[in-house]
Amino acid sequence: NAGVTQTPKFQVLKTGQSMTLQCAQDMNHEYMSWYRQDPGMGLRLIHYSVGAGITDQGEVPNGYNVSRSTTEDFPLRLLSAAPSQTSVYFCASSYSRGKGSEAFFGQGTRLTVV
Amino acid sequence: AQSVSQHNHHVILSEAASLELGCNYSYGGTVNLFWYVQYPGQHLQLLLKYFSGDPLVKGIKGFEAEFIKSKFSFNLRKPSVQWSDTAEYFCAVNPGGYQKVTFGTGTKLQVIP
Repeated sequence: NAGVTQTPKFQVLKTGQSMTLQCAQDMNHEYMSWYRQDPGMGLRLIHYSVGAGITDQGEVPNGYNVSRSTTEDFPLRLLSAAPSQTSVYFCASSYSRGKGSEAFFGQGTRLTVV
Repeated sequence: AQSVSQHNHHVILSEAASLELGCNYSYGGTVNLFWYVQYPGQHLQLLLKYFSGDPLVKGIKGFEAEFIKSKFSFNLRKPSVQWSDTAEYFCAVNPGGYQKVTFGTGTKLQVIP
């Protein structure tokens, strides 16, 4: 099992550019989410999805779009990159039913916006 | 909205010392609680979780945590730390079985050989 796969691992963007961070899971998890990790701020939820065709905003959604056309994939789009979006991004997935379901994380994407 | 507080931002211990990391959450209902570990340059991995039953939960690598409902706390403990425990530790809360998980700001643990 590959688990949760994120690509790319590193990316440098110029201000104003757009790009898509890819996330795929092969565990048939219903729930998927995107977090950004910044020093001293922990992980903050950007967007999440409880199943194909269903997405919702998290704590810090501005500047990001998501879609969930399949159970496996949950890409994150940066519409017009800004230096404030420099961060490490993690995708996670889990079962949405049942108590205690743990989240499985991808390896992360380190994004720098210059 | 629920929140999670980790009061220790940076902890430095010598090998074999005992560890306790604090975690408090604000949510009045049923919660699922987690501790995750992030080793340098890696992604988050689950250490342990609590969702019901015995409030003393044992996880991997000798870690344990105690859920005290009256104090809204879920502190992480280890009797004797090793250099390999150097990492950042995150407490997380998931209220009522829904999967919208809130993370604390993390505690960086540095273990000195």
